[in-house]
Amino acid sequence: EAQVTQNPRYLITVTGKKLTVTCSQNMNHEYMSWYRQDPGLGLRQIYYSMNVEVTDKGDVPEGYKVSRKEKRNFPLILESPSPNQTSLYFCASSFTSSGEQYFGPGTRLTVT
Amino acid sequence: ILNVEQSPQSLHVQEGDSTNFTCSFPSSNFYALHWYRWETAKSPEALFVMTLNGDEKKKGRISATLNTKEGYSYLYIKGSQPEDSATYLCGGHSGSARQLTFGSGTQLTVLP
Repeated sequence: EAQVTQNPRYLITVTGKKLTVTCSQNMNHEYMSWYRQDPGLGLRQIYYSMNVEVTDKGDVPEGYKVSRKEKRNFPLILESPSPNQTSLYFCASSFTSSGEQYFGPGTRLTVT
Repeated sequence: ILNVEQSPQSLHVQEGDSTNFTCSFPSSNFYALHWYRWETAKSPEALFVMTLNGDEKKKGRISATLNTKEGYSYLYIKGSQPEDSATYLCGGHSGSARQLTFGSGTQLTVLP
């Protein structure tokens, strides 16, 4: 089944404790991206990747890191999480940057 | 950052009513426009991706139009059903088409 998977789905952590949210797609998509969703603000793009080893900042990259060592995986790293990073996070992928996005199930992160 | 605006923010309609919402974006340097449907507790799902001025796309009872010269797109739902209740997101690419910026969405509730 063609899909985008994210793990974990839910995470409660404390300020400053490094965490990684994994994202994997099995559709051989070149473009992958991370979004956060906050009430009243819609989806905001954090980082995107055009292909392996090619990543770039989206609209809200501060406090996040990403890597794209393999085509299928695009992990989101929070080196020192803070409470303002409490949010719902979505990973998405598509064949091209302007193609329809396939979204993962979401990761709800709470930083206390 | 591309400025994408959606209106109205929320909408309540009766079952059977037809409805429409608006997405507006800067007309200069336009590349592509996306519409997504996002049901509560699920992930956003693509409805349409449109690139050409005058584009009209249809999927069942849902259709969309695009005017790139004046910078807007309309999403229409004919004969709304309770299962159409969702948040409808519009997202736009400009210039390089690498970054996708979403509006804050229109939350539709269809009352039986």
